[in-house]
Amino acid sequence: RKEVEQDPGPFNVPEGATVAFNCTYSNSASQSFFWYRQDCRKEPKLLMSVYSSGNEDGRFTAQLNRASQYISLLIRDSKLSDSATYLCVVRRGSTLGRLYFGRGTQLTVWP
Amino acid sequence: ETGVTQSPTHLIKTRGQQVTLRCSSQSGHNTVSWYQQALGQGPQFIFQYYREEENGRGNFPPRFSGLQFPNYSSELNVNALELDDSALYLCASSLEGDNEKLFFGSGTQLSVL
Repeated sequence: RKEVEQDPGPFNVPEGATVAFNCTYSNSASQSFFWYRQDCRKEPKLLMSVYSSGNEDGRFTAQLNRASQYISLLIRDSKLSDSATYLCVVRRGSTLGRLYFGRGTQLTVWP
Repeated sequence: ETGVTQSPTHLIKTRGQQVTLRCSSQSGHNTVSWYQQALGQGPQFIFQYYREEENGRGNFPPRFSGLQFPNYSSELNVNALELDDSALYLCASSLEGDNEKLFFGSGTQLSVL
């Protein structure tokens, strides 16, 4: 079983739509959680960290359910510039721990 | 601009050859990790170096090896290349004491023919 599972999509939505991505992680020892954004074959960039209490950054809201080992990302009022692949990422333990990436969910926002 | 540069940006090799990929990080970034990203997949952890010592390794064979140098640069070496080694190779560094934020380079696209 993969460490992080994501629905690869693709998700195709019109501008202004709300879209939600989900992922699950298999190791209960995971301690840190992130969403990264990756544009076509470029480097991943940190979108936001995910905290147990849930957190919001503008149009983006992330949620974590440790009991279900489930992470979500909600994008409201989608923009054309949101078109990208969204990677769910977890890290276990220590500050020098490695990152486990999901395969990514592809989003295309159309005008 | 992450301050992490990788070279070359693209590379074509043939099966059985050896390749060295390079990464240059910012001053003070004592931790560097290397990832392999095959097409349609997320990045997979290869290994990590901290202060020039290997400090964690993913599920990759010994023909994947690395070095980290005192000047915050590092190398990924792959021997006996196989077709499945074709991928985007990413390095990521972090500042001493802060592993929350990783700074990724823009990657090296390796094609093995």
